[in-house]
Amino acid sequence: AQKITQTQPGMFVQEKEAVTLDCTYDTSDPSYGLFWYKQPSSGEMIFLIYQGSYDQQNATEGRYSLNFQKARKSANLVISASQLGDSAMYFCAMREGGGGADGLTFGKGTHLIIQP
Amino acid sequence: DTGVSQNPRHKITKRGQNVTFRCDPISEHNRLYWYRQTLGQGPEFLTYFQNEAQLEKSRLLSDRFSAERPKGSFSTLEIQRTEQGDSAMYLCASSLVTVLGSYNSPLHFGNGTRLTVT
Repeated sequence: AQKITQTQPGMFVQEKEAVTLDCTYDTSDPSYGLFWYKQPSSGEMIFLIYQGSYDQQNATEGRYSLNFQKARKSANLVISASQLGDSAMYFCAMREGGGGADGLTFGKGTHLIIQP
Repeated sequence: DTGVSQNPRHKITKRGQNVTFRCDPISEHNRLYWYRQTLGQGPEFLTYFQNEAQLEKSRLLSDRFSAERPKGSFSTLEIQRTEQGDSAMYLCASSLVTVLGSYNSPLHFGNGTRLTVT
């Protein structure tokens, strides 16, 4: 079973609009972290935001916020006031704390294109 | 800013040749990871080191792949007898993990090495 599911292969959004990128996850571990990364066409993976399983409040970092719904196992990324430079691949990832594989498990990504 | 550095950026090789990639992590980070990313997919975990010890290997890491991290600093990933299916982006990442746990530590990635096997 997929541990991270991103159901939107691609999205087109008008500049300055808000964007929500979907991510659902699957784990039985009570301790886990959820991460979002941005990958521009140049290839580097840029860390955007983190949400811990025990965090009571949704994480925010500048224009990025994470809509964390634990009961639904959902961790959607919200980008406010989108900009042309936001065009990139976006990956949701999870890291479990229960002693399994230490590396992040990634979803397949969403290709976001911001249109002027 | 001394982020994660990977060399070379691009490597084109003929099938059957050996290749080696290098990764220099962020200096204070104790964990180093290798990932592989193929077109249209998210990165897939290959292996990771805690200092110089290789603690885990994915099933994706066939016996043609070997990784080292001598002295717990830079790391190398070698692929022997390359095959066309090895063509991918190879990403290195590092993180700082404390005794309190690792699941909240983000990985910081390098720009990757793009391997093309002809």
